[in-house]
Amino acid sequence: QSVLTQPPSASGTPGQRVTISCSGGSSNIGSNTVNWYHQLPGSAPQLLIYSTNRRPSGVPDRFSGSRSGTSASLVIRGLQSEDEAEYYCAAWDDSLNGYVFGSGTKVTVL
Amino acid sequence: QLQLQESGPGLVKPSETLSLTCTVSGGSISSSSYYWGWIRQPPGKGLEWSGSIHYSGRTYYTPSLKSRVSISVDTAKNQFSLQLTSVTASDTAVYYCAMTHYDPFAFDIWGQGTMVTVSS
Repeated sequence: QSVLTQPPSASGTPGQRVTISCSGGSSNIGSNTVNWYHQLPGSAPQLLIYSTNRRPSGVPDRFSGSRSGTSASLVIRGLQSEDEAEYYCAAWDDSLNGYVFGSGTKVTVL
Repeated sequence: QLQLQESGPGLVKPSETLSLTCTVSGGSISSSSYYWGWIRQPPGKGLEWSGSIHYSGRTYYTPSLKSRVSISVDTAKNQFSLQLTSVTASDTAVYYCAMTHYDPFAFDIWGQGTMVTVSS
C-alpha cells in the first residue's frame, strides 16, 4: 500500500477538464517536489510533470501540476482520447528515505 | 537522443540472483547531470522504485530491497546494472531502466522494459 494515495479512477468526455489528486504527508509531498507520470497500456511510463509544476519539453500545456500542503494535483485540460492511461504521482519520502509512487489513477475518456 | 535498452534473463529461479543491464546510447553515462534508475512493475500492479545511481557512484535504494539490491555503473561500456539477490516470486515484474535530466528522481527517459519471471 502506497504512502501516496490516488483515486483509482477518473473520467471525462473529450474537451473536459479532469483533476487527479495525490494525497501524502509531511515527509513526502509536504516537504519535497512532486512528479507525475502517465502510462499507456503496454508502454513504459512517461514523465508529465516534474518539480511539482514544471513540464518537460514536448509535454502539452494541457497538463499542469500543483501542490497544496500535503496534497498534489494534476489537471488535464481539454481531455483527448489519447489521454486515456494510468497516471501516477511520485515524490521522495524523507521518513522512508526512498522515492515512492502513488497507487495510480486510471483515466477513462468517455 | 538518449535511448535506454534493458537486457537480461527473462526467467530466474527462486533464491538466485536477478541481474539486468541497461545500455545507454546517444549519450554518455558519465554526465554529472544525470541519475540512472531502476523501476519495476509487478503484473497488473503499480510502479515501484528500486534504486538509483549517479555516475559518481552514489547510490540510493528503496528500503524494502536495500539488503538485496545493488546498482552499479560501467562507464567503459556505457551501461548500468541491477542485481537483486535471493529472489522470490514477489520479484516477478517488468523492470524498467530510466534516467533523469531534470532532477534526481524525475525519470524522463525510459527503456521499453523487460519482463522477469521468478519461477522454478
